[in-house]
Amino acid sequence: NAGVTQTPKFRILKIGQSMTLQCAQDMNHNYMYWYRQDPGMGLKLIYYSVGAGITDKGEVPNGYNVSRSTTEDFPLRLELAAPSQTSVYFCASSAPGQEQFFGPGTRLTVL
Amino acid sequence: AQKVTQAQTEISVVEKEDVTLDCVYETRDTTYYLFWYKQPPSGELVFLIRRNSFDEQNEISGRYSWNFQKSTSSFNFTITASQVVDSAVYFCALRSQGAQKLVFGQGTRLTINP
Repeated sequence: NAGVTQTPKFRILKIGQSMTLQCAQDMNHNYMYWYRQDPGMGLKLIYYSVGAGITDKGEVPNGYNVSRSTTEDFPLRLELAAPSQTSVYFCASSAPGQEQFFGPGTRLTVL
Repeated sequence: AQKVTQAQTEISVVEKEDVTLDCVYETRDTTYYLFWYKQPPSGELVFLIRRNSFDEQNEISGRYSWNFQKSTSSFNFTITASQVVDSAVYFCALRSQGAQKLVFGQGTRLTINP
């Protein structure tokens, strides 16, 4: 099993540009999550999904959108990038009630 | 509101010393789960342990041990005979039953010096 995979690993965006962070898992987990980690801080939940077609906001959803068309994939969309979105983004997945497994992260810089 | 506090921002010890990372949590829920994750310099998050609120037994896994005390709302993590490979940022996290959000502490950066 590859576990949770994320692409790209690194990205630099200009203010106002858009991009999609990709996340995929092969563990057949129903639950998937997007977190951001700012320097020196813990992770904060952006969006999560409990199954295909179902998504919900986390703590810090502003400026982001998600979709969940399949069990395996959970992309995160940034529409108008802002410097405040410079962060490391982690995708995670879990079975209901179980621990979350994290991807390797995407380091995003907005200039 | 839920909150996780890791008061130790950074710890530095010499190899082979024992070290304890503190975690204090706040929740009004009666059923919840506590976690520890390790984030090595490479950046990924590695799951270490999950403990539910009804299980106060301490757990030992090799050089790692965890002390869960509901009376003091603490879930401390001890590394015995530390090694350089233990150098990482360690996060404590909390999740309520039925909730999806993991509430993370700010992390403790542990440096093991040879």
